[in-house]
Amino acid sequence: SQQGEEDPQALSIQEGENATMNCSYKTSINNLQWYRQNSGRGLVHLILIRSNEREKHSGRLRVTLDTSKKSSSLLITASRAADTASYFCATRRVPQNRDDKIIFGKGTRLHILP
Amino acid sequence: EPEVTQTPSHQVTQMGQEVILRCVPISNHLYFYWYRQILGQKVEFLVSFYNNEISEKSEIFDDQFSVERPDGSNFTLKIRSTKLEDSAMYFCASSWTGDSGNTIYFGEGSWLTVV
Repeated sequence: SQQGEEDPQALSIQEGENATMNCSYKTSINNLQWYRQNSGRGLVHLILIRSNEREKHSGRLRVTLDTSKKSSSLLITASRAADTASYFCATRRVPQNRDDKIIFGKGTRLHILP
Repeated sequence: EPEVTQTPSHQVTQMGQEVILRCVPISNHLYFYWYRQILGQKVEFLVSFYNNEISEKSEIFDDQFSVERPDGSNFTLKIRSTKLEDSAMYFCASSWTGDSGNTIYFGEGSWLTVV
């Protein structure tokens, strides 16, 4: 089954504005992680939120998790040109064994306009 | 900050050739993963590895693929006979444990081009 479907697929905003990206998933999860990927580069971990948490902050990032709706949002405040990247959510399902994988969504391409 | 390192960063190979992608996970981590990302597509799980054996593998990880931890630091992905459709970015990742609070850290990737 598909997990971690982000929307929008692409988002363009002016520098200084806030960017909000959403992620929906289908099965029960253990945690949800957000990653950033600059074009052609590696996956940089941004933030992890556990299934028993509702909100987490890290610098300009704010992540929420609503397990009843099976959805999460990533908010980047006061966006900068350097925030231009693709953003992926990845879910870790309730494991059948201890070392379950994480499953990625298709990502949101964020473009910050100068 | 500790990081996962991968080599090579880019490799071009002839179809049918064998390729080995190398990874050095974060030193105290116990769980290791390979993922791949075909250009413009989503990141796909290939295999997870723990305690010197494969824990889980996806449908993509067929008999052409194998993984090995030959020593205490390296973790390799071998593709025995590459196909054009194996062209992708391959990511190695590691985590300390498999439980809910632990982040999976990814390397910069190895870009494989099969011609």
